[in-house]
Amino acid sequence: ILNVEQSPQSLHVQEGDSTNFTCSFPSSNFYALHWYRWETAKSPEALFVMTLNGDEKKKGRISATLNTKEGYSYLYIKGSQPEDSATYLCAFNFNKFYFGSGTKLNVKP
Amino acid sequence: EPEVTQTPSHQVTQMGQEVILRCVPISNHLYFYWYRQILGQKVEFLVSFYNNEISEKSEIFDDQFSVERPDGSNFTLKIRSTKLEDSAMYFCASRGDRDGGAKNIQYFGAGTRLSVL
Repeated sequence: ILNVEQSPQSLHVQEGDSTNFTCSFPSSNFYALHWYRWETAKSPEALFVMTLNGDEKKKGRISATLNTKEGYSYLYIKGSQPEDSATYLCAFNFNKFYFGSGTKLNVKP
Repeated sequence: EPEVTQTPSHQVTQMGQEVILRCVPISNHLYFYWYRQILGQKVEFLVSFYNNEISEKSEIFDDQFSVERPDGSNFTLKIRSTKLEDSAMYFCASRGDRDGGAKNIQYFGAGTRLSVL
């Protein structure tokens, strides 16, 4: 079983703060790493698909980087807003998805 | 925007009963998946389905589980005789032909919470 870990488990920040969290995964046989944003009672929403070492992707205030050699990806949120409050899931794609346990972000106004 | 829909949002059943969880994938998608998340644990892959057959299944997906695409639009997960430990959130996902390979962009439903009493 492939082990995918995310940290921290939860995060409480003030509106306007920038924040980041980590997904770590096996560094051998890398194929792709996915980030999802998941609000309670809604569908997980695809944010990024990272495939190449050194990849950096951006969507508005959210960006992600990838280091396949050391087996980690960072997700950054610049100037957090209350609407960013959600669980951020990473999934390691190796024939099938192996999910991390998620980072639950709470942004206080 | 097209979306994956799942019904019901919450299903309560007695241990030993059969349940069918329903999903309507995005209409032109060809690949279908079920995942589950037991409370407090990670989301786990159950099964993938393509061209009317299972393409891959996990160790969790034993003889008690089956999947079907009965009518070209629905994709169902059946649990024959539910156990207490089947209580979980079950997610359906689908993807299109163009979203394969490393991209493997899967679109998820909001899930069905199954409570086995």
